[in-house]
Amino acid sequence: GEDVEQSLFLSVREGDSSVINCTYTDSSSTYLYWYKQEPGAGLQLLTYIFSNMDMKQDQRLTVLLNKKDKHLSLRIADTQTGDSAIYFCAESIGGGYNKLIFGAGTRLAVHP
Amino acid sequence: DGGITQSPKYLFRKEGQNVTLSCEQNLNHDAMYWYRQDPGQGLRLIYYSQIVNDFQKGDIAEGYSVSREKKESFPLTVTSAQKNPTAFYLCASSNHGTGHQDNYGYTFGSGTRLTVV
Repeated sequence: GEDVEQSLFLSVREGDSSVINCTYTDSSSTYLYWYKQEPGAGLQLLTYIFSNMDMKQDQRLTVLLNKKDKHLSLRIADTQTGDSAIYFCAESIGGGYNKLIFGAGTRLAVHP
Repeated sequence: DGGITQSPKYLFRKEGQNVTLSCEQNLNHDAMYWYRQDPGQGLRLIYYSQIVNDFQKGDIAEGYSVSREKKESFPLTVTSAQKNPTAFYLCASSNHGTGHQDNYGYTFGSGTRLTVV
C-alpha cells in the first residue's frame, strides 16, 4: 500500500550539513514534497520536486530524487539553530483527488 | 495576503462536550483537509472535501464530523464520541490534481491544540 518512511531523529552540529532521508512506495507519484514544522506551528512547504527530475537546488536546500530506489533526500547546507524543526516528506498520488501521503517526520536537532 | 486561518489556537473541552474547530481559507482552493497530530507522530487524515457540499472520511473519522457549506470554510466538530481528543489539529487546503504538470501542494493553517480537562 501507500507508505512513506523517514528516520525519526537527526542531530547535527551548527555549520555542518544535514541530510534527511525518505523512502516512498508509490512509483506513480508525480510530486514529492518537503515540509518544515516548528514547535506549535503548522507545516510550511519548504520545497518540492517533480518526478522527472533528479535534483533541485534552492539556496541552502538540495533535494535528490532516486526514482529507481524510491528514495528522496533533503540536504541542508550550513545548518543553523533556526533549522531545528520536524521535517516531513510527502508524496502525491493519483486516484481522483490531490492526495498527499506524509511520513512520520524527522526531528532535526542542531547543537553548537 | 491569501492564507488559511485556524481558530482558536488553544481549546479546552470538558468530558462529554462537543467542540468545533474553525478553518477558513481565502486562497480559492477547491479542496480542504483535516489532520490530527499526536506527539511524536505524523499526520493522520480525519476528513477531506474536494468540493462544496461534499466530503469524505479519512483514516480516523470516528468521533468527528465536518461540513462544507462554503468553499472558504471547513469546520471540524469533535464530538463526545471521540474518546481521546487531546491532540494538535491541522487544517490544509489545495487545488485539485488534474494530472497535468502543475504543483498542488497543500497549504496548512497554524493549528489548534485541543485539550480535554
